[in-house]
Amino acid sequence: EAAVTQSPRNKVAVTGGKVTLSCNQTNNHNNMYWYRQDTGHGLRLIHYSYGAGSTEKGDIPDGYKASRPSQENFSLILELATPSQTSVYFCASGEWGLGTGQLYFGEGSKLTVL
Amino acid sequence: SQLAEENLWALSVHEGESVTVNCSYKTSITALQWYRQKSGEGPAQLILIRSNEREKRNGRLRATLDTSSQSSSLSITATRCEDTAVYFCATDEDTNAYKVIFGKGTHLHVLP
Repeated sequence: EAAVTQSPRNKVAVTGGKVTLSCNQTNNHNNMYWYRQDTGHGLRLIHYSYGAGSTEKGDIPDGYKASRPSQENFSLILELATPSQTSVYFCASGEWGLGTGQLYFGEGSKLTVL
Repeated sequence: SQLAEENLWALSVHEGESVTVNCSYKTSITALQWYRQKSGEGPAQLILIRSNEREKRNGRLRATLDTSSQSSSLSITATRCEDTAVYFCATDEDTNAYKVIFGKGTHLHVLP
């Protein structure tokens, strides 16, 4: 069974502070993704990666950076957190391409920015 | 950009009834997938249907794909309370098969 682990699961941050959400996968998947989920918006893609050293912008990258130091790890970084970034964040890994594959999701990280 | 979108925010059915969730998408695709997300969990894949397929089944689930109208449906027969969840469709972009975009989701409530 594919495994994606996110940490922390819950985080309270102050406005202007730095937040790092971490994701680890043991599936040896090349592709990893960060989404945020908000009521009325579904899952929106923030950043994704093809493999170690690569990061690509998704649909809502502003205010977020990503880092993929290894095949297993993919981090989402909020350098200056704002209340609008309060959300639930999901990491996923998968081998999606050319009509095959699927994404495997972690259990989510709930971030509250005060 | 919202490449894929379910057409209903929420719907309710009684246990044992059948229900259909619909999705429309905006670009040509290589495949469309349906995911289910139960409360407190991450989404999990239900069905993948490729662009050259018209129908796919998985137990009580049946997905259809109409590339001419750029739409898909997910039907669940003999619903159970545990089918209560948010259902998403997800697609790739025609210019980037690795960029995976989800719709806003349909909240399904199955009542006893």
